[in-house]
Amino acid sequence: GQQLNQSPQSMFIQEGEDVSMNCTSSSIFNTWLWYKQDPGEGPVLLIALYKAGELTSNGRLTAQFGITRKDSFLNISASIPSDVGIYFCAGQGRAGGTSYGKLTFGQGTILTVHP
Amino acid sequence: EAQVTQNPRYLITVTGKKLTVTCSQNMNHEYMSWYRQDPGLGLRQIYYSMNVEVTDKGDVPEGYKVSRKEKRNFPLILESPSPNQTSLYFCASSLFNRLTYNSPLHFGNGTRLTVT
Repeated sequence: GQQLNQSPQSMFIQEGEDVSMNCTSSSIFNTWLWYKQDPGEGPVLLIALYKAGELTSNGRLTAQFGITRKDSFLNISASIPSDVGIYFCAGQGRAGGTSYGKLTFGQGTILTVHP
Repeated sequence: EAQVTQNPRYLITVTGKKLTVTCSQNMNHEYMSWYRQDPGLGLRQIYYSMNVEVTDKGDVPEGYKVSRKEKRNFPLILESPSPNQTSLYFCASSLFNRLTYNSPLHFGNGTRLTVT
């Protein structure tokens, strides 16, 4: 099946620092999504990207859909302690395709923010 | 309150004893899906359903069954659980379909399953 490689696997940063993580794929996706998971809970959607080259912001978060449709990055600016959690990228197939309902997730980036 | 409800939250069972994890959503969502989460592997899709009576395999369907007899429920069935199915399981739903492709997934709070 399709594989997503997410890096880094973990990050330890000081409060106030910027964070960057990315995902690459061997396959093309039509939609890239970024989720955050807090301990003991299910993932929550942060940002959704629908067009190649698209750059989208949500508060201190910025994400881009790579021009090749095979990669995406997420940046968090001025990190705060509540940013702690696991961040997942996810790719989704094209509309009308046989894999349209399949959602493939990256391995996750564990973020730790020291006050 | 709009939510996806999974039961049970924790389950310890023995190899070969059939079990069902229930999932219910109250948002009238057409799309529902099951994932398992394992350290270092992220979330892997087991099965998904685009609508009632329509189900499809995800990336890791072996050893699992699902059914979608009604819109709100999407149970996950393990006919003969094995230790390698010990994992954290998440159910999710969405308005997502071919027209509303930008609808996000709403996840339940997870079921931690241990098979001994």
